[in-house]
Amino acid sequence: GQSLEQPSEVTAVEGAIVQINCTYQTSGFYGLSWYQQHDGGAPTFLSYNALDGLEETGRFSSFLSRSDSYGYLLLQELQMKDSASYFCAPFQTGANNLFFGTGTRLTVIP
Amino acid sequence: NAGVTQTPKFRVLKTGQSMTLLCAQDMNHEYMYWYRQDPGMGLRLIHYSVGEGTTAKGEVPDGYNVSRLKKQNFLLGLESAAPSQTSVYFCASRPMGGTDTQYFGPGTRLTVL
Repeated sequence: GQSLEQPSEVTAVEGAIVQINCTYQTSGFYGLSWYQQHDGGAPTFLSYNALDGLEETGRFSSFLSRSDSYGYLLLQELQMKDSASYFCAPFQTGANNLFFGTGTRLTVIP
Repeated sequence: NAGVTQTPKFRVLKTGQSMTLLCAQDMNHEYMYWYRQDPGMGLRLIHYSVGEGTTAKGEVPDGYNVSRLKKQNFLLGLESAAPSQTSVYFCASRPMGGTDTQYFGPGTRLTVL
């Protein structure tokens, strides 16, 4: 089977740092992607980890531990515009697609 | 490049009516996907295609059909719409070997009364 666990909601203060955790169970795991979705908008790609370790893209970083089936997204210097839903999505080699969970709704407060 | 486009943006149907949602991409991507997104349910894969003329079932295929007659287009059909198909539908595409990034269209908001 396949499963994903992310916190359903996170609230953080503008300018702070927030970490969104993701644990997954899939068949034929290849890598872990992160997507951002604002209300009423389409998901957009943020980051991807194929190997263990940290990937940094500006204010966003993503981490993967394949042995623990665990990853996280780190958002630094939070801005109000970062209020959105964030999805971790493991890539399943057998099905040739990403598996999306229910996501984490991040609310940034002043 | 327009990227991934979807037609229409909004649609209201009555139960039992049929319709086709069109997805088009101009990036020459091999893979195309149809998802539905319901409140609190995240994105669920309906059908996907790994190339022109090929389609496969995803997680929630019942009540939907698809066709990929041209590489750039992926059509999603509802033969007899039901209220349970009220949702936001997203199309996405990615290139062969591009396991990380899927490019999403803006979505179609469908209401079935």
